[in-house]
Amino acid sequence: AQTVTQSQPEMSVQEAETVTLSCTYDTSESNYYLFWYKQPPSRQMILVIRQEAYKQQNATENRFSVNFQKAAKSFSLKISDSQLGDTAMYFCAFAAGVIQGAQKLVFGQGTRLTINP
Amino acid sequence: DADVTQTPRNRITKTGKRIMLECSQTKGHDRMYWYRQDPGLGLRLIYYSFDVKDINKGEISDGYSVSRQAQAKFSLSLESAIPNQTALYFCATSDPYRNQPQHFGDGTRLSIL
Repeated sequence: AQTVTQSQPEMSVQEAETVTLSCTYDTSESNYYLFWYKQPPSRQMILVIRQEAYKQQNATENRFSVNFQKAAKSFSLKISDSQLGDTAMYFCAFAAGVIQGAQKLVFGQGTRLTINP
Repeated sequence: DADVTQTPRNRITKTGKRIMLECSQTKGHDRMYWYRQDPGLGLRLIYYSFDVKDINKGEISDGYSVSRQAQAKFSLSLESAIPNQTALYFCATSDPYRNQPQHFGDGTRLSIL
């Protein structure tokens, strides 16, 4: 069985700073996807970024980037130039297999991020 | 219009009542999921369905049942609600043939008194 662990229940930074959210996972699968979801107060689940395990290059999406360390089973999210709108709960998630959407997601506990003005 | 619609958006009910949460989708996806979100626990899978005739238990299925009435509809029932089922419930869909991640509804907040 897979597990996902987010060890930072809450984080708080000033606007424009860079912040890194941690995520570790445990699996015996060789092929999988990792995701970061954002949940603002509106409670929508918004996909921020995804990483295929077979890709060595770290994924980036504008101000969001990941540090994927496959051997260490670590998948951290870096938010650069943080904005007030980044305030949200962030979830790390794992899906086994080579195809997105083929399998159920396993989520971490979440990190509540607050961006202060 | 939302691609994945959950009804109701919020619900307050009493212990022992039967409750049904509904999910409908216009995305044409075969796979549908029900998750439950609790503070400090993240989202956990209750049930999932890979097509109309295929329904599977997830991590925390006790106390819940589901019905896949059609490709587009997947309902979650609490036969006799109890307070520790108070949570935020999400429905999600996916289509592996398009190689896209799961797409979530906006959630149903359920409070059981």
